[in-house]
Amino acid sequence: QLQLQESGPGLVKPSETLSLTCTVSGGSISGSSYHWGWIRQSPGKDLEWIGAIYYSGTTYYNPSLKSRVTISVDTSKNQFSLKVNSVTAADTAVYYCTRSDYHSGPFDPWGQGTLVSVSS
Amino acid sequence: QSGLTQPPSASGTPGQRASISCSGSSSNIGSNYVYWYQQFPGTAPKLLIYRNNQRPSGVPDRFSGSKSGTSASLAISGLRSEDEADYYCAVWDDSLSSVVFGGGSKLTVL
Repeated sequence: QLQLQESGPGLVKPSETLSLTCTVSGGSISGSSYHWGWIRQSPGKDLEWIGAIYYSGTTYYNPSLKSRVTISVDTSKNQFSLKVNSVTAADTAVYYCTRSDYHSGPFDPWGQGTLVSVSS
Repeated sequence: QSGLTQPPSASGTPGQRASISCSGSSSNIGSNYVYWYQQFPGTAPKLLIYRNNQRPSGVPDRFSGSKSGTSASLAISGLRSEDEADYYCAVWDDSLSSVVFGGGSKLTVL
């Protein structure tokens, strides 16, 4: 059974870079026709799609975040990563990693999520 | 702000049928598949409905999805207390070139 697990710092200072990694177990990222992506949920519970990467390296980003976001994949470690630059308090959220058939969904499964707070 | 409009809450008594609506536009629901996700407190969302009305393996047939024009609906029949959760609709928006989510609807089983 495929499982995804997010990891990374729970606290990031304003203006710095948020970095998260998603480790995939129970399946392989490489050679699979899936997209691997990130979604975040604000404290107010709004869900926001951040973006996704195809196993070949093609990326898709939410235009509202595109200038600050990078998603990459490391097939040797069966992991994919998220970087968000120049964070502000508005980036405080629970970050989920997901798998999907297409970059637009459906998102299944989801990681358990990791809370990232932006504060000095 | 959400790209799709959902009622903040819905309710029903055990055994009854509840319905949650999701209103969008021609650039999203009107032209793409709608997905529904179920989320319990403190846990990650779970895929409930895909391609407007398809259920993943393991999802009871009490849950059904439908779409008409620029709106979609999630129906839950034979309500049970364990159905209490937040429900979100999601769809690709051609104009925004992004996935958009509804604001979520909290279902209460009275």
